[in-house]
Amino acid sequence: EAGVTQFPSHSVIEKGQTVTLRCDPISGHDNLYWYRRVMGKEIKFLLHFVKESKQDESGMPNNRFLAERTGGTYSTLKVQPAELEDSGVYFCASSQDLPSTQYFGPGTRLTVL
Amino acid sequence: KNEVEQSPQNLTAQEGEFITINCSYSVGISALHWLQQHPGGGIVSLFMLSSGKKKHGRLIATINIQEKHSSLHITASHPRDSAVYICAVRLKGTASKLTFGTGTRLQVTL
Repeated sequence: EAGVTQFPSHSVIEKGQTVTLRCDPISGHDNLYWYRRVMGKEIKFLLHFVKESKQDESGMPNNRFLAERTGGTYSTLKVQPAELEDSGVYFCASSQDLPSTQYFGPGTRLTVL
Repeated sequence: KNEVEQSPQNLTAQEGEFITINCSYSVGISALHWLQQHPGGGIVSLFMLSSGKKKHGRLIATINIQEKHSSLHITASHPRDSAVYICAVRLKGTASKLTFGTGTRLQVTL
């Protein structure tokens, strides 16, 4: 069974540009999470989907970030416009039930210049 | 101050040594996770526990809810155990949101 996949693995963009990150959870996992690790800091929760609904988006930093999960399958996280402080590694995770083990993707390293 | 504190931040050990990584938290939790991230690799969940002790191979995780403390032990350490070990807690009253420690970087040498 395929694990959680994320695309792209790396993205380098200039300040002010738009970037869209994609996460494909494990098939059948209703729960999908986005996390971010900024350089030198701990991983922080961004938001949690249950199917296509946002269950908890308390960690989203500001309205430049938009997450969607149309159809309850894959999810996208768009940053528009990107700022320097958005640089970091964005992780996606999925789980089948609540509460249960979360399976993490490899992450997308975003660099904003 | 972070709600989840790990110690040590960095740890170097020789192959075969017994290793302990500590995690303390200051909030009410419903579960605690130990995660592992190898250099350049993804994050793997090692344990999820809410009480007592769990063992998987050479890894043992314990938690003391009253003391708000958990430990991850590695017996007979091996260079392939070199990784960052991360403690994360699920806050009481939340369904899923995890709060993470900053991680412990472990290097096991021959």
